[in-house]
Amino acid sequence: GESVGLHLPTLSVQEGDNSIINCAYSNSASDYFIWYKQESGKGPQFIIDIRSNMDKRQGQRVTVLLNKTVKHLSLQIAATQPGDSAVYFCAEASYNTDKLIFGTGTRLQVFP
Amino acid sequence: ETGVTQTPRHLVMGMTNKKSLKCEQHLGHNAMYWYKQSAKKPLELMFVYSLEERVENNSVPSRFSPECPNSSHLFLHLHTLQPEDSALYLCASSQNYDRLGEQYFGPGTRLTVT
Repeated sequence: GESVGLHLPTLSVQEGDNSIINCAYSNSASDYFIWYKQESGKGPQFIIDIRSNMDKRQGQRVTVLLNKTVKHLSLQIAATQPGDSAVYFCAEASYNTDKLIFGTGTRLQVFP
Repeated sequence: ETGVTQTPRHLVMGMTNKKSLKCEQHLGHNAMYWYKQSAKKPLELMFVYSLEERVENNSVPSRFSPECPNSSHLFLHLHTLQPEDSALYLCASSQNYDRLGEQYFGPGTRLTVT
């Protein structure tokens, strides 16, 4: 069945290092993916999205990579800052199902 | 601030109580959503309203009753809840009913059912 999951529940990185958060999906028909950031006490916040006709998309300090061959999605954060500490989760959607499926989330902890 | 507000931020209620959650968006959006976020579980879509009409109801128990009086306001009426209903309830809005678009989330209401 459909599933979206994250490999690591908690990721700890040192301030200034790069962070990589991974997401696996099982629905090969998914053609749109979104990364969200959720800080403590707040709702999810849209970070970046990517469509299946792309392999890579860059934003401000963030890059999303999509590997359709292995159905893998990653979020890279450059020069991680304390303000990046949050739970990050991915979501997938496809025009076939018209359904947005969310992953469970990975907690990113940034140490000084 | 995302332009989506929710009240109350925290709510503790007994299983026999009746309460309501309120959501208001100041973005001029046409679609509004209710989600349930439980610990260690993915975000679950509960209800979707587009132009004040309910367009989706994902097999949510009848003890949850949504109401959308206008495009800016969304309510979730609660009655005879169960302890397993304790969760963070998130409201979101988007320009149009478009799952592939960007949704703006409110801060959520942390609900505890005792």
